[in-house]
Amino acid sequence: GAVVSQHPSWVICKSGTSVKIECRSLDFQATTMFWYRQFPKQSLMLMATSNEGSKATYEQGVEKDKFLINHASLTLSTLTVTSAHPEDSSFYICSARPSGANVLTFGAGSRLTVL
Amino acid sequence: QKEVEQNSGPLSVPEGAIASLNCTYSDRGSQSFFWYRQYSGKSPELIMFIYSNGDKEDGRFTAQLNKASQYVSLLIRDSQPSDSATYLCAVGSNTGFQKLVFGTGTRLLVSP
Repeated sequence: GAVVSQHPSWVICKSGTSVKIECRSLDFQATTMFWYRQFPKQSLMLMATSNEGSKATYEQGVEKDKFLINHASLTLSTLTVTSAHPEDSSFYICSARPSGANVLTFGAGSRLTVL
Repeated sequence: QKEVEQNSGPLSVPEGAIASLNCTYSDRGSQSFFWYRQYSGKSPELIMFIYSNGDKEDGRFTAQLNKASQYVSLLIRDSQPSDSATYLCAVGSNTGFQKLVFGTGTRLLVSP
């Protein structure tokens, strides 16, 4: 089955630093990937849609200059949280849809803690 | 604002019982409906999806969709303690996957 890999699975960083999260489709190509964020006891909220070879599409209220998305290849999308602050601490999850499939495959998620 | 509403629970059922999870949505243009299970600290895993009005069964799970009432439900038969998790309802505007809107989830507790 389709597998989406995320790395790192958890990260702790100091306030003001930047953190990069990688999302890879291991056995399929993904022209589009989706980045979600989930705060404790809340639902998944779509942050942005990552498009291979072009700019990401951000949801309303998501700062594109703070959450940098790069989708440089058909199997890799990265999310960089720049100048991270404690309020950015959250569970970040990426997903992608294999060609021909009607459902999303989710990565295992990356838990970010900003001190 | 597209919304997906779920009772946060917890919904407590004894082992072997039927668990009924409900979800309503606000966007009448919604075409695709998904149920995900999420264990604490883990990412969601798909249980099943439904596109057409009526029932869809897969093993112990049955999804029910009523577009007129903007209502989708998930029945879990013969509930097991391992079914204890948060169940997320997700709604898409097009058949397939585009930009799913998730509910906040219902926490299910199945007691032995």
